Amino acid sequence: GAVVSQHPSWVICKSGTSVKIECRSLDFQATTMFWYRQFPKQSLMLMATSNEGSKATYEQGVEKDKFLINHASLTLSTLTVTSAHPEDSSFYICSAREEFLAGDSQETQYFGPGTRLLVL
Amino acid sequence: AQSVAQPEDQVNVAEGNPLTVKCTYSVSGNPYLFWYVQYPNRGLQFLLKYITGDNLVKGSYGFEAEFNKSQTSFHLKKPSALVSDSALYFCAVRDRGRDDKIIFGKGTRLHILP
Repeated sequence: GAVVSQHPSWVICKSGTSVKIECRSLDFQATTMFWYRQFPKQSLMLMATSNEGSKATYEQGVEKDKFLINHASLTLSTLTVTSAHPEDSSFYICSAREEFLAGDSQETQYFGPGTRLLVL
Repeated sequence: AQSVAQPEDQVNVAEGNPLTVKCTYSVSGNPYLFWYVQYPNRGLQFLLKYITGDNLVKGSYGFEAEFNKSQTSFHLKKPSALVSDSALYFCAVRDRGRDDKIIFGKGTRLHILP
């Protein structure tokens, strides 16, 4: 299946600093990428939908000025947590949807391995 | 609004026995349905999906799922469980007539007992 990578896999930072997480689709192009947040023993919460070449669409309750998303190419989306605070500590997972001109493969989202963020 | 329910927080099965992880959904239109598996500190791995066609869908690692429209269910099954199947399983749905969002169930932790 298609491969999605994330970098870094984990990061520890001081409160007030900014952290950038990269999400790449390695062997396919993705017009649409998604960013999720997962708390311990809970399901994935969709934060935003990232569209190549346009602004991201944020879910209700997600601060767009705090979680900056950039989708500059068909294989790369970045999430920047600005002025991070301890409550931002979480497991962040990105996902990319494989795009085809035809067929049902376009309905499958592939997920990155996740980035664990710890803000001290 | 679309939603997914996984009624069991945890399922315990002896190795070699058949397993079932339950999922029901609610959408206004026709659904796309998915199962994903998550191992500790890892992202989600795609197992299988139902888009259209045969109600019985076969996926990775010997898993299969049956789409039942009348019961709005999409239970995950495997004839013979392995200890390595122990993980967190998520059911997900997308309403085909709406936007791009996939909604996930809360997850079911599967324990395969040796």
